[in-house]
Amino acid sequence: AQTVTQSQPEMSVQEAETVTLSCTYDTSESNYYLFWYKQPPSRQMILVIRQEAYKQQNATENRFSVNFQKAAKSFSLKISDSQLGDTAMYFCAFMKHLDSSYKLIFGSGTRLLVRP
Amino acid sequence: DAGVIQSPRHEVTEMGQEVTLRCKPISGHDYLFWYRQTMMRGLELLIYFNNNVPIDDSGMPEDRFSAKMPNASFSTLKIQPSEPRDSAVYFCASSSPGQGVDEQYFGPGTRLTVT
Repeated sequence: AQTVTQSQPEMSVQEAETVTLSCTYDTSESNYYLFWYKQPPSRQMILVIRQEAYKQQNATENRFSVNFQKAAKSFSLKISDSQLGDTAMYFCAFMKHLDSSYKLIFGSGTRLLVRP
Repeated sequence: DAGVIQSPRHEVTEMGQEVTLRCKPISGHDYLFWYRQTMMRGLELLIYFNNNVPIDDSGMPEDRFSAKMPNASFSTLKIQPSEPRDSAVYFCASSSPGQGVDEQYFGPGTRLTVT
């Protein structure tokens, strides 16, 4: 069974600084997707970024980028130029590829506080 | 598109009452998922549908929970009878992997409080 671990329950960063959130996962699959979702106080789950395991290039979406280390089964999220609106819970999630289940397995989340 | 729509946004009910949560997926999406979020257990998948057919309900806690999807644009999650431990935020999400939309889009959630 797949598991996703987020070892940092809480983090804080100064506005405009850079912060990295960690995520590790355990799987025997070779082909899969990884996601980061953001959940602000409004509780809406918002997709931040996705990575296909077969792609070596790290995904980037504006100020958000990932460091995907397949051999180490690590998938960290880097937020550059942090903004107050980035304050939220961040969840790392795993999904098997080419599997009709399309289930998302979530980590326990990291609460990020951006300080003014 | 309006995104995934859930109703109600908040529900407060007494123990023993029936609760029905509703979801309208994004038009054209053929997968629909129901999740529950609690402090203790985090986000957990309850059940999901493909083309209106339940595929995996192994996450449904017990027989008090049931879900239906009568058509492509509507699904319900019912709890009967409700118990205080059912208090949680319930999310509905949809996706369309066959059309390259592997990521799941979530609704705003329903916060359920059972007293």
